[in-house]
Amino acid sequence: QVQLVESGGGVVQPGKSLRLSCAASGFTVSSHGIHWVRQAPGKGLEWVAVISHDGKNDNYADSVKGRFTLSRDNSKNTVYLEMNSLTPGDTAVYFCARVSAPYSNNRYNWFDPWGQGTLVTVSS
Amino acid sequence: QSVLTQPPSVSGAPGQRVTISCTGNSSNIGTGYDVHWYRHLPGTPPKLLIYGNSHRPSGVPDRFSGSKSGTSVSLAITGLQAEDEAVYYCQSYDSSLSGWVFGGGTHLTVL
Repeated sequence: QVQLVESGGGVVQPGKSLRLSCAASGFTVSSHGIHWVRQAPGKGLEWVAVISHDGKNDNYADSVKGRFTLSRDNSKNTVYLEMNSLTPGDTAVYFCARVSAPYSNNRYNWFDPWGQGTLVTVSS
Repeated sequence: QSVLTQPPSVSGAPGQRVTISCTGNSSNIGTGYDVHWYRHLPGTPPKLLIYGNSHRPSGVPDRFSGSKSGTSVSLAITGLQAEDEAVYYCQSYDSSLSGWVFGGGTHLTVL
């Protein structure tokens, strides 16, 4: 069964860092790219970042560019989202989602499946 | 302000048909990038409903359908059921932003 499980969320002070994990099962992260999408309280979905299946390409939304970094550990079948210089505007539930097609950086791909999400609260 | 524009809410009685629009521009839908639809319930992960503008994944009832015309796409739901109450999002890629984009979401209420 294809599944994604996020972890690492919590309460963090403004300006601090946090690392989220997205553990995959039922497939390998070396075969599929992984997106991160967030949902702030009372708001809609916002795409955050993506790392390609081969780890050679990553792409970030302007709102997090320069502060967030993606990485991957194939041995743990896990993708990480390192978040630095956090602000209250980063408070959200963070979802990871699999790129639909394997071995593809295609912009036409969709997100399926999604993890349950992990809540990040940035507050002093 | 989302790049893809959706109505904030729609409603319909059980058994009726509703449509949810998603309007983009020449940098996303108008360029030819596919649009995908997701259903989202609070506390659960978003679920893929339609991919590639009009294709249903296995397990999604044929009450759900998608269509595209120019820079707009639509999600139609026929035979409304109480369990269809959720927030529906469209999603595509935007070449001017060099990133993936979502609509603002449409809350469907079954009266």
